[in-house]
Amino acid sequence: NAGVTQTPKFQVLKTGQSMTLQCAQDMNHEYMSWYRQDPGMGLRLIHYSVGAGITDQGEVPNGYNVSRSTTEDFPLRLLSAAPSQTSVYFCASSYSIRAGSNTIYFGEGSWLTVV
Amino acid sequence: AQSVSQHNHHVILSEAASLELGCNYSYGGTVNLFWYVQYPGQHLQLLLKYFSGDPLVKGIKGFEAEFIKSKFSFNLRKPSVQWSDTAEYFCAVNAPMNYGGSQGNLIFGKGTKLSVKP
Repeated sequence: NAGVTQTPKFQVLKTGQSMTLQCAQDMNHEYMSWYRQDPGMGLRLIHYSVGAGITDQGEVPNGYNVSRSTTEDFPLRLLSAAPSQTSVYFCASSYSIRAGSNTIYFGEGSWLTVV
Repeated sequence: AQSVSQHNHHVILSEAASLELGCNYSYGGTVNLFWYVQYPGQHLQLLLKYFSGDPLVKGIKGFEAEFIKSKFSFNLRKPSVQWSDTAEYFCAVNAPMNYGGSQGNLIFGKGTKLSVKP
């Protein structure tokens, strides 16, 4: 049982490059989300999805794009990387659309540096 | 604005000292509450959660938290900390779906770093 799997774990990008952070879960969870973690800021929600084909913006969506074509996968795309997007990114999933009614499971994180 | 506040940015304790980390939230109505721990270089792990029932919740590794609805608080406690408890601790709240349209997303506090001196 793999849980929530994120790739890559580490990535260095140049300003202006694009890339995709992959997230996959094997628990048949409806709800998936992406957070970024910055020192002193806690975790802030970027985008989330309550089911295949449904996505919505969180607190800090600018510069990021998501899609949910399958239940299992929820990739996060950086369209044109900026140094302000240097952060640790966490993917999370939960069984129910009422995310807090069930435990949210987190991936191991992706460390992204934009130079 | 909806928010979760953690009172201390950095707490330094000696081993065997007692720990209490504060967490307050600003949502009305029904809430679900969580404490997560992040050890250095690692991902988030769930310490404990409160959905309903007994407001005193016991979690893993000897941690517990008390939900006080009248104070909008969910403080984390441990009677005697160990060096291995050195980590960052995050309080999180699930905003109900009918409050601000949040669809149940977790809102996190900014975290409290705990350093335990051996």
